[in-house]
Amino acid sequence: QMQLVQSGAEVKKTGSSVRLSCKASGDTFTYRYLHWVRQAPGQALEWMGWITPFNGNTNYARSLQARVTITGDRSMTTVYLDLSTLRSEDTGMYFCATTSGEHQLLYPDQQQPLDCWGQGTLVTVSS
Amino acid sequence: QSVLTQPPSASGTPGQRVTISCSGGSSNIKFNTLNWYQQLPGAAPKLLVHGVSQRPSGAPDRFSGSISGTSASLAISGLRSEDEAYYYCAAWDDSLSGWVFGGGTKVTVL
Repeated sequence: QMQLVQSGAEVKKTGSSVRLSCKASGDTFTYRYLHWVRQAPGQALEWMGWITPFNGNTNYARSLQARVTITGDRSMTTVYLDLSTLRSEDTGMYFCATTSGEHQLLYPDQQQPLDCWGQGTLVTVSS
Repeated sequence: QSVLTQPPSASGTPGQRVTISCSGGSSNIKFNTLNWYQQLPGAAPKLLVHGVSQRPSGAPDRFSGSISGTSASLAISGLRSEDEAYYYCAAWDDSLSGWVFGGGTKVTVL
């Protein structure tokens, strides 16, 4: 059964960049789409983008497109989120999420419900 | 501002039925891609309902989903103290090729 383990908390200065990682254990990403979702303190969930690690295809939320890059390693077990030109509004919890495969026959790969989540990485941005 | 609209709060006493709404547009609220998540304090979201009304294995049957046009609902029957949490709807948006979320509803058990 797949589990996602994320890297540790980060404290960054305004204007700098951050790289977060999300490692799969128990399985590889293979056909799965790996999504990043973030949550500012006391705020709603915000989808950031996805990657298909097996071919590197990506898609990003329009509001973040200029500053976000999602990549994966060749082993298809680790995915990275790079966010540049950090602002105080980027402070929050960042989650990676994917599908367990339980619903594989019900939905297109891209639209599989996110039922496997990492524990989250807290990013704090300050001047 | 979230793409999907949810009421900020809902409440009920133990045993009551509570309903949460989620409204969107034609590019996102669809029969087969509307999901609900439960988020407890300090935890990652947990899938509660998928495809509008399907429960994943392990999800209690007191949670049920429905849809009418571009508005979906999550009902919690027989409310319990452990149901006190934030609930988010999420839908696949064809125009964005990504997920859109509601603003979240805090359910309080009185």
